[in-house]
Amino acid sequence: EAGVTQFPSHSVIEKGQTVTLRCDPISGHDNLYWYRRVMGKEIKFLLHFVKESKQDESGMPNNRFLAERTGGTYSTLKVQPAELEDSGVYFCASSQFGRYNEQFFGPGTRLTVL
Amino acid sequence: DQQVKQNSPSLSVQEGRISILNCDYTNSMFDYFLWYKKYPAEGPTFLISISSIKDKNEDGRFTVFLNKSAKHLSLHIVPSQPGDSAVYFCAASDSTGNQFYFGTGTSLTVIP
Repeated sequence: EAGVTQFPSHSVIEKGQTVTLRCDPISGHDNLYWYRRVMGKEIKFLLHFVKESKQDESGMPNNRFLAERTGGTYSTLKVQPAELEDSGVYFCASSQFGRYNEQFFGPGTRLTVL
Repeated sequence: DQQVKQNSPSLSVQEGRISILNCDYTNSMFDYFLWYKKYPAEGPTFLISISSIKDKNEDGRFTVFLNKSAKHLSLHIVPSQPGDSAVYFCAASDSTGNQFYFGTGTSLTVIP
């Protein structure tokens, strides 16, 4: 069974540019989470999808971040325009419906904003 | 404001000895606690969990202890092995499972 995949693995962009991160969860997993880890700090919750619906997006830093999950399969996280403080590793995780505590994480996307 | 804290950024232990990683939390609404292990360039992988109705959960070499009155949990690894060297994250959630709060991680080095 394929795990959670994320694309790209690394992205280096300049301040003001737009970047879109993609997450493909494990097939059949209704729950999809986005997290971010700034270097040396905690892994911080961004938002939670159940299928295509946003269950909780209280962790999204501001309106420069937009997450979508069309059709309840893969998800994208767009940052527009990117700022220096957006740099970090963005993780995606998925779990089966009702099994919130068994999250499987992807390898992360390392975003560097210059 | 961090609701889950891991105050030790690093820990070194001799192979075969016990590793004890600690975690404190502030939110009394948390009712599920997890430990994740992370290798460089990989995502965290689930290690062990405990519900708030228990005070101990054991899985092989790994045991998690929960002290609700102190809002403290710990992960014990016995015996420690070099392959256990990784960053360990403590995490907590409430009953909804909508949000998970992670600590900053403790980097464990097991010395052969």
